[in-house]
Order: sequence, then C-alpha cells, then structure tokens
Amino acid sequence: DVKVTQSSRYLVKRTGEKVFLECVQDMDHENMFWYRQDPGLGLRLIYFSYDVKMKEKGDIPEGYSVSREKKERFSLILESASTNQTSMYLCASSLGTADEQFFGPGTRLTVL
Amino acid sequence: AQSVTQPDIHITVSEGASLELRCNYSYGATPYLFWYVQSPGQGLQLLLKYFSGDTLVQGIKGFEAEFKRSQSSFNLRKPSVHWSDAAEYFCAVGAGNYQLIWGAGTKLIIKP
Repeated sequence: DVKVTQSSRYLVKRTGEKVFLECVQDMDHENMFWYRQDPGLGLRLIYFSYDVKMKEKGDIPEGYSVSREKKERFSLILESASTNQTSMYLCASSLGTADEQFFGPGTRLTVL
Repeated sequence: AQSVTQPDIHITVSEGASLELRCNYSYGATPYLFWYVQSPGQGLQLLLKYFSGDTLVQGIKGFEAEFKRSQSSFNLRKPSVHWSDAAEYFCAVGAGNYQLIWGAGTKLIIKP
C-alpha cells in the first residue's frame, strides 16, 4: 500500500525557533510537495521538488526552505518560526507531471 | 489563468439524501481532474480521477463524478449519503507542470 509519512502529527514551537518537518514516501515517486492548509484558504503550495536536490517555489515560499537529499525524503524548514506560520502542513508525492498526489496525515504546527 | 472554483463553502444534507458537489475549472487544454476527501484532522484521500475516456467516473465509497467539457465542470455525486461522509471535499485540476490546482473545498455536513 502506498504510504507517505510525516514525522509529527502535532508540534508546538516558540517564535524564533528553527523547525524541521520531515516527510518520507515509499513509492519511489519523483515529485514531492509541501502545502499549508488554513481554514477558508484551501491548500496552498509552499515548495515542490521534481527530483533529488531540485526544488521549485510554490505560491507561498516566504519564510520557508526545503531540502531533498534523497528521493524518498523531503524536508520543510522554518528558519525562524513566527506565529503566522501556525497551520496544518501537508506533504504529498506523485509520479508524473499531472498525476494524482498521495498525501501524508499532516502536521499541525503551533508557534507560540 | 488556470483556476478551480467550488462555489459552495458548506453544504448540509440529510442522511440518506442525494448529494452533488460542484466544481468548475478554467484550463486551456484537456484537464486531468480529481476529487479528494479530507476527514477531520486527516490528510487527503483520492476519491476518483478523470484522465480520458468515459466522462462518468466511478470512485471509492460510492461516489461518482461527471466531466462536462461544455460546462467546464466536474461535479461529484452520491445517491445516498451516510453520516461517515461528513468531511471536506476538494476538487483539483492537473496542470501538467507537476502541480495540481486546488479548489477551496466544500465542507459537507450531514443532518441525522
């Protein structure tokens, strides 16, 4: 069965902390994505990666960076967390350029 | 510009009644179309997808959707809803550049 896992379901951090969110997929997918989801705003793409060490900005990359050193792992980094980054973060992966995306369970991040 | 519109933010339906969730898209080429469901606190799960062929697509959990090119629509239907269908539903279009374009979602509320 296809699986995308995220390192934490819930995370509480303080303003200014560096935060790492990890995502791992076991499907040998080329593409991986990080979204944030806020009530009434749907899913907004932060970054995506179509190959190891490759990354592309999405719609809201400010305040975030990503790392993809291995095909199965895609990390989202908040260099200095702020309260407006409190949100649900969803990781996804896909095989081709227009294929369905498979999602992890999400990480609910609270920044105090 | 490419876009997906889900005109209903909330829909309330009685248990056992039929359901139709609307999705309209704006996309220049033949789209790849998806419906996802998100149960409270969970990631997104694919309900069904349309790539080509028969315009009536069957999905999981008794859902179906019909692609109507002339109306740029891909509405989701279910003949009889169950309380467990209460969730948020997202329509998405495959843009052919690795990304999906997402609607804002429709929250389905089931009345007993």
